[in-house]
Amino acid sequence: DAGVIQSPRHEVTEMGQEVTLRCKPISGHNSLFWYRQTMMRGLELLIYFNNNVPIDDSGMPEDRFSAKMPNASFSTLKIQPSEPRDSAVYFCASSLRFREFTEAFFGQGTRLTVV
Amino acid sequence: DAKTTQPNSMESNEEEPVHLPCNHSTISGTDYIHWYRQLPSQGPEYVIHGLTSNVNNRMASLAIAEDRKSSTLILHRATLRDAAVYYCILSKRGGSEKLVFGKGTKLTVNP
Repeated sequence: DAGVIQSPRHEVTEMGQEVTLRCKPISGHNSLFWYRQTMMRGLELLIYFNNNVPIDDSGMPEDRFSAKMPNASFSTLKIQPSEPRDSAVYFCASSLRFREFTEAFFGQGTRLTVV
Repeated sequence: DAKTTQPNSMESNEEEPVHLPCNHSTISGTDYIHWYRQLPSQGPEYVIHGLTSNVNNRMASLAIAEDRKSSTLILHRATLRDAAVYYCILSKRGGSEKLVFGKGTKLTVNP
């Protein structure tokens, strides 16, 4: 299995531009998570989906951020408009919710720089 | 969510055992204890989890205190590849599966 695949690996954009990050979860997994990591704030959970439905988006910082999961094999995290403080590494993770325990598998991350 | 407390950093020598502590004094009876680690420039990866009993797998061992208010991740023989940030996380048994990461412990392994 190729694992969780994120694209692009690196993104540099100008302030005010729209940014779209993409994630392909592991086939058969039914939960998907988006995290953001910075030196100051560590790893923050932004949103998670179960069976393509957003379950908890309380970590989404503001209306400029939106996430979608149109099907079980694809999710996007969009920032519009982007700001320099959005610069971070964004991780996507997926898991198979089965009974009482799930192990989350993380992608390699997308390093976003907003200038 | 119940909180965990870990030392900011620890050091070890190669091929020696490492004991990484985690305090979770507000743990409830339905909380799982998870450990993840994050190698440099990579996403976090699962290490081990447990509920009440000690657990062993190919990567590590997890020792859980009898009152469950603390746990220890044990790497039996540290290698340079084990240098990473180790996170201790609690999640509700049968509840939300979301993982909330704290600051973790940065482990340095000296050759």
